[in-house]
Amino acid sequence: DAGVTQSPTHLIKTRGQQVTLRCSPKSGHDTVSWYQQALGQGPQFIFQYYEEEERQRGNFPDRFSGHQFPNYSSELNVNALLLGDSALYLCASSLNPETVTQYFGPGTRLLVL
Amino acid sequence: GEDVEQSLFLSVREGDSSVINCTYTDSSSTYLYWYKQEPGAGLQLLTYIFSNMDMKQDQRLTVLLNKKDKHLSLRIADTQTGDSAIYFCAEKDTGRRALTFGSGTRLQVQP
Repeated sequence: DAGVTQSPTHLIKTRGQQVTLRCSPKSGHDTVSWYQQALGQGPQFIFQYYEEEERQRGNFPDRFSGHQFPNYSSELNVNALLLGDSALYLCASSLNPETVTQYFGPGTRLLVL
Repeated sequence: GEDVEQSLFLSVREGDSSVINCTYTDSSSTYLYWYKQEPGAGLQLLTYIFSNMDMKQDQRLTVLLNKKDKHLSLRIADTQTGDSAIYFCAEKDTGRRALTFGSGTRLQVQP
């Protein structure tokens, strides 16, 4: 049973560019959450997707947007990249939005130069 | 708002017990979690506890919750070098879908 998968594993971009990160949830899971983990910090919640809609959002600007597809996979898009967007981006999936447990993927490490 | 605090670093010898501590501020926290992160990897869910419980044991792991003091601890018995990692405490209440994490405790196990 495949766990949560994310692609790419690493990415280097320059300021002002746009980036798309991808996530496939664990089999049987229909809810995907995205987190940003800056170096030396704990993950910070960006948003959660369920039934192809953004259901809850953390304290992140509109430059961060997402999408969920009918097969429950999800994308995180970041526009107008800033140096401060350099971080590990983690995707977590859960059985449904109310489930207690969230399972994390290995993350995508984004470096903005 | 919600806040979760952890000490930054803990060093123990192999075979000893490790105790990692966490405090949280949100009195409506319903679920409390411990995650493990190894270098360059994502987060692995170790265990979680409901706020109406005082203790939960799972093999070498024991979680203690003092709801009055908003204090959570994770005890790892017979700590091994493979336990070296960063341990994150997190909380969630039923009104929110997001987990709120602490900054993590780096556990170093000396052989």
